[in-house]
Amino acid sequence: RKEVEQDPGPFNVPEGATVAFNCTYSNSASQSFFWYRQDCRKEPKLLMSVYSSGNEDGRFTAQLNRASQYISLLIRDSKLSDSATYLCAVNRPAAGNKLTFGGGTRVLVKP
Amino acid sequence: GAGVSQSPSNKVTEKGKDVELRCDPISGHTALYWYRQSLGQGLEFLIYFQGNSAPDKSGLPSDRFSAERTGGSVSTLTIQRTQQEDSAVYLCASSYATGTSVYNEQFFGPGTRLTVL
Repeated sequence: RKEVEQDPGPFNVPEGATVAFNCTYSNSASQSFFWYRQDCRKEPKLLMSVYSSGNEDGRFTAQLNRASQYISLLIRDSKLSDSATYLCAVNRPAAGNKLTFGGGTRVLVKP
Repeated sequence: GAGVSQSPSNKVTEKGKDVELRCDPISGHTALYWYRQSLGQGLEFLIYFQGNSAPDKSGLPSDRFSAERTGGSVSTLTIQRTQQEDSAVYLCASSYATGTSVYNEQFFGPGTRLTVL
């Protein structure tokens, strides 16, 4: 089993709709979590950091469920420009400060 | 301010040749990371530098891969005797993280796309 797993999608989302997807992690010692957005043939760009129960930034909300070992990302009022691959990353400082990434969830927002 | 920069942006080489990839981190960031992303694959950790500490090389796939970081800033990833399976995008990231900090927001450079023929 991979340490960080994501549904690869694609999630086909009508413009203006809400979409949510999860990222599960296997190591309970994981302490901090990150969502990155990656456009085709571009580098990942940090979207949100999650250090406690969750975080909200505009139309984006991330929630952490430590008991079930997953984090979620919710996008409200989806825009065409939200189409991208969303990467989840997990940090276990005790294992060295390297992020472990999931395979990404592809989101396609359509008119 | 300036972000992470990497060069070259693209590199095509022949099997068996050596290549050097360069990363210039964000000024003031003490930690520098190398990852690679193969077609359709997730990001794979390669190596991590933190200040003057010995690097974490646990992700390097073979002894053909090495990296150094001079003066605590610029880093070079070297791949010797390249193989076709080395073809990937090599991404560098940097962060303020020190020691075993949970606050490890990493910022990525644009990557070097390596193609081994």
